[in-house]
Amino acid sequence: QSALTQPPSASGSPGQSVTISCTGTSVGDYNYVSWYQQHPGRAPKLMVYEVTQRPSGVPDRFSGSKSGNTASLTVSGLQAGDEATYYCSSYAGKTNIVFGGGTKLTVL
Amino acid sequence: QVRLVQSGSELKKPGASLRVSCKASGYIFTSYAMNWVRQVPGQGPEWMGWISTDDARPAYARAFSGRIVFSLDTSASTAYLQIPSLTTEDTAVYYCTTDMAVAGRKAFDMWGQGTMVTVSS
Repeated sequence: QSALTQPPSASGSPGQSVTISCTGTSVGDYNYVSWYQQHPGRAPKLMVYEVTQRPSGVPDRFSGSKSGNTASLTVSGLQAGDEATYYCSSYAGKTNIVFGGGTKLTVL
Repeated sequence: QVRLVQSGSELKKPGASLRVSCKASGYIFTSYAMNWVRQVPGQGPEWMGWISTDDARPAYARAFSGRIVFSLDTSASTAYLQIPSLTTEDTAVYYCTTDMAVAGRKAFDMWGQGTMVTVSS
């Protein structure tokens, strides 16, 4: 059982927006929430860090937010290449980092 | 080009030991700590801990403390993960990862390609 709770699946049609949630007490305690995209057989790729920040090269179609103990990743203008599993992570204190169980995003 | 290149897949028997290597290139190895992450197939990643690359001081996640060892060969810009006694529950993909452009932000923007470890009798 993961320390952070994510819905197992999400879906949307090309061009639409989809939002994925991530809930846990560490999300509310710290502003160190990150989101990763993982395609099958590949390493995770950082998409958002510190709740809302995007690394260089990540499209602004990916945006993050947080309210209380729940963080969210919104993917706008869905594209076929966005189909992947998305994981959230959060700093949990005492140098500990926890991950969610993942949400498989399907582009219909 | 900044890269983390890990050693190849492993097939081990229960009770055997394992060492996974992670060779860094394209940057100053001692500038960024190295983290290790485990991912059981079909599950979310698990952070195993990190090792400071300037003084080789490790910090292990509670779930792995006492079962794993991190080490370095700074002259070879290589980090190692050792599991002295494997069980079938150690079957997973192991990643080395670090924070470069996002240093200090508790996020990881550089990853190795992963090492698949299968433990089976």
